Amino acid sequence: AQTVTQSQPEMSVQEAETVTLSCTYDTSESDYYLFWYKQPPSRQMILVIRQEAYKQQNATENRFSVNFQKAAKSFSLKISDSQLGDAAMYFCGSSSTLGRLYFGRGTQLTVWP
Amino acid sequence: DSGVTQTPKHLITATGQRVTLRCSPRSGDLSVYWYQQSLDQGLQFLIQYYNGEERAKGNILERFSAQQFPDLHSELNLSSLELGDSALYFCASSVGSSGDGNTIYFGEGSWLTVV
Repeated sequence: AQTVTQSQPEMSVQEAETVTLSCTYDTSESDYYLFWYKQPPSRQMILVIRQEAYKQQNATENRFSVNFQKAAKSFSLKISDSQLGDAAMYFCGSSSTLGRLYFGRGTQLTVWP
Repeated sequence: DSGVTQTPKHLITATGQRVTLRCSPRSGDLSVYWYQQSLDQGLQFLIQYYNGEERAKGNILERFSAQQFPDLHSELNLSSLELGDSALYFCASSVGSSGDGNTIYFGEGSWLTVV
């Protein structure tokens, strides 16, 4: 089994500033994938970014980037130039070889104007 | 729009009743996953089907069952409902069956309220 831990239940950031959400995971598998999903008030689960564990290069999607530290089993999400629309619950996830996603408890991000 | 369709969007039912939640995966996706999201339990994996076969089982209660049909749509059946079953039930889909980088896409969820 895999476990995913998000140690920050809540975070806040000023609009246009940068914020980093933390995530650690534990897995015994050698092949796995890591994801960040965003859940706005609509409750829709929206994929933000994904990272292949075998790749050393950190994934980037526009204003979203990750800091993947494989040895430390850390997978943090950095949001640059934060926008009001970024306000949401963010879930870190790890997929097993079976395909199922294990999720952390989530981090509620508030963006202040 | 993720392409994953779930019905109904909202459902209110009484304790002891049975309901069926329906899911149509994205076109071309063979895997279907069911997740339960409640306030105190976070996102819990229930079950996965791949091309009609059960692939993995998580924390799914015996009162719950699911299946995937030949046209790849899936149904989650919840019976003998209890107040604690009130939650948002997500269906998700992916192309393949394994964690080979297949991204899992989520539907909008079905809100179940048991009264």
